[in-house]
Amino acid sequence: DTAVSQTPKYLVTQMGNDKSIKCEQNLGHDTMYWYKQDSKKFLKIMFSYNNKELIINETVPNRFSPKSPDKAHLNLHINSLELGDSAVYFCASSPGGAYTDTQYFGPGTRLTVL
Amino acid sequence: KQEVTQIPAALSVPEGENLVLNCSFTDSAIYNLQWFRQDPGKGLTSLLLIQSSQREQTSGRLNASLDKSSGRSTLYIAASQPGDSATYLCAVSRSGGGADGLTFGKGTHLIIQP
Repeated sequence: DTAVSQTPKYLVTQMGNDKSIKCEQNLGHDTMYWYKQDSKKFLKIMFSYNNKELIINETVPNRFSPKSPDKAHLNLHINSLELGDSAVYFCASSPGGAYTDTQYFGPGTRLTVL
Repeated sequence: KQEVTQIPAALSVPEGENLVLNCSFTDSAIYNLQWFRQDPGKGLTSLLLIQSSQREQTSGRLNASLDKSSGRSTLYIAASQPGDSATYLCAVSRSGGGADGLTFGKGTHLIIQP
């Protein structure tokens, strides 16, 4: 069974469009994250959610909005896509709560903005 | 602001050799340190997690050490195999618990020659 899953795996779209990436974890974890891996393969935290509350927003443009309908899901919505948004986006989860533990990563979504 | 540096950026060695990957971080106030493996086009797989109170962790042919006061960690791979070829990422979680994201290094791209 897949622990952390993301859809779609690949996403190609035009500049200015709005798109969403979905993430689901079946580990019962309390905390979920979104990371961005740029063209130079550098991974950087974007958001984390703990019990439906946003914990971190690392200077991400407000065109990006995480949405968590429940503890098992953290979707990423992106408005007015720009060329610089092209990257691989990874979702992750961890037990969270009072301690930060091993983070489990999804397979990634490769976003290409034309 | 925490910065994580990994040296070398790339490494190519013959099969069977023992090797060491290095990671350093600028802020010693970490909660834990994780080593991940990333295969081309894939997500991240957690290899080892060292809590800030620990000095090392071992899993099979892998041994990770942590010297928190000097801001350094090493990943030792014994008897390397072609299947070990991947990018190895070091990441730290800042102290205080809670739902913190990880700060990653840029990785070491490892090639094991058959």
